[in-house]
Order: sequence, then structure tokens, then C-alpha cells
Amino acid sequence: DTGVSQDPRHKITKRGQNVTFRCDPISEHNRLYWYRQTLGQGPEFLTYFQNEAQLEKSRLLSDRFSAERPKGSFSTLEIQRTEQGDSAMYLCASSLARAGGSYGYTFGSGTRLTVV
Amino acid sequence: GQQVMQIPQYQHVQEGEDFTTYCNSSTTLSNIQWYKQRPGGHPVFLIQLVKSGEVKKQKRLTFQFGEAKKNSSLHITATQTTDVGTYFCAGLYTGTASKLTFGTGTRLQVTL
Repeated sequence: DTGVSQDPRHKITKRGQNVTFRCDPISEHNRLYWYRQTLGQGPEFLTYFQNEAQLEKSRLLSDRFSAERPKGSFSTLEIQRTEQGDSAMYLCASSLARAGGSYGYTFGSGTRLTVV
Repeated sequence: GQQVMQIPQYQHVQEGEDFTTYCNSSTTLSNIQWYKQRPGGHPVFLIQLVKSGEVKKQKRLTFQFGEAKKNSSLHITATQTTDVGTYFCAGLYTGTASKLTFGTGTRLQVTL
């Protein structure tokens, strides 16, 4: 296990279709994050998990977005009824959080979503 | 809301020149992290600063955290073409666990 894996790398979908992305974090990491990045912008927070618990979800995120992390291992991000505005790079990251503090994120290569 | 701003948005330098990017938050940060994203790549963690006034160095890179823990800077001495990319600061606010708020980024272009 050398890093964070995301699948697929690219996804082209028609408007209105549902899509699901998968993220496999570094196995020793207990926190998993989903971010979205559009061209020329910094990553924007979507949601994060500590183990299997979803601790926070961005208020900017519509009800069409849902994420799961069954058994605290891999995570999936689903977007229902996709819209053109959903086109972006979806980044997954993991980190190790301890009582003494937090550590840097390790990002995956991302899933680039294009809604046509 | 919690926002992290960076300046400049873009900088083009000749190889060998120095480069600095500045990061500002409207509210006090618990800590700040810096990431580098190469063109077409994903953000890669560089460093974390936690203490007020902290200064850390990594070879030609110098990172500073302000006394008030509201601002930070990254300085690169004698840039090289391998420094090309976008540099993001990311702040951790008190009470937000480990959720980072990323800055707007500074894109660095280095030419010979």
C-alpha cells in the first residue's frame, strides 16, 4: 500500500445520470476526506470520515451528493442526477489523526468528472 | 466564514530568482499546512506549522507562521524549473477537527 487510490481516473457522463467514485486510503490512516477542485481553484471541502463515521458534510453540498465509508476502509462518493456544474476533479485524501495533533493529507490522483 | 486568501495569484520568474507567496486568514488558525500541485497532478504535502512565529526550512524553501497565527509565507530561494506548480496554503481552524480550508493558490512559472 503505497498511497491513496482513486477509481476511475476519468468519468464522462450525461446530465441526469448517477455516478459513483471509489477511494482506497492508506490503510494506517483513520481519516478520509473528499474534496472537489475546479480549474484554477484550491480544493473545496465536501465531507470527511473518521473510521466509518461521517463527521462533517459541507453545507454547500446538495442532497444529490452522498458518501459512505463502510467498515472504515474504502469510501464511495455518489452524485445523483448529475448537472454540468458538477464537472470537476474529485479528490480523496487520507490522514492520521491522533490525540496529539493532526498530520498532512495524502491525496489520491483524483477522478475527473465531465458532465455533458 | 473561514477563508484563506493567497497572493499573488500568479508569478513568473527567471530561474535563479527568488519567489514568495503569502497566505492570510481572517481568523486565527490552529495550524497551517503547505501543499504543492504540479500541472496535471494532485496536491502533495510539504510541511505543517503549528507554533506562533514558527520558521521551518526545507532546502531552498522557507516557511513562516505569523505571530498572530493568521498569516503565513513560503519563500523559495534561487528557483529552479522543478519548482513549477501551484502552491497552496491550507489552514486548520480551532474546533474543526482536521478539516483543512485551502487557499486560492499561487501558480509559479519558472523559465530559463
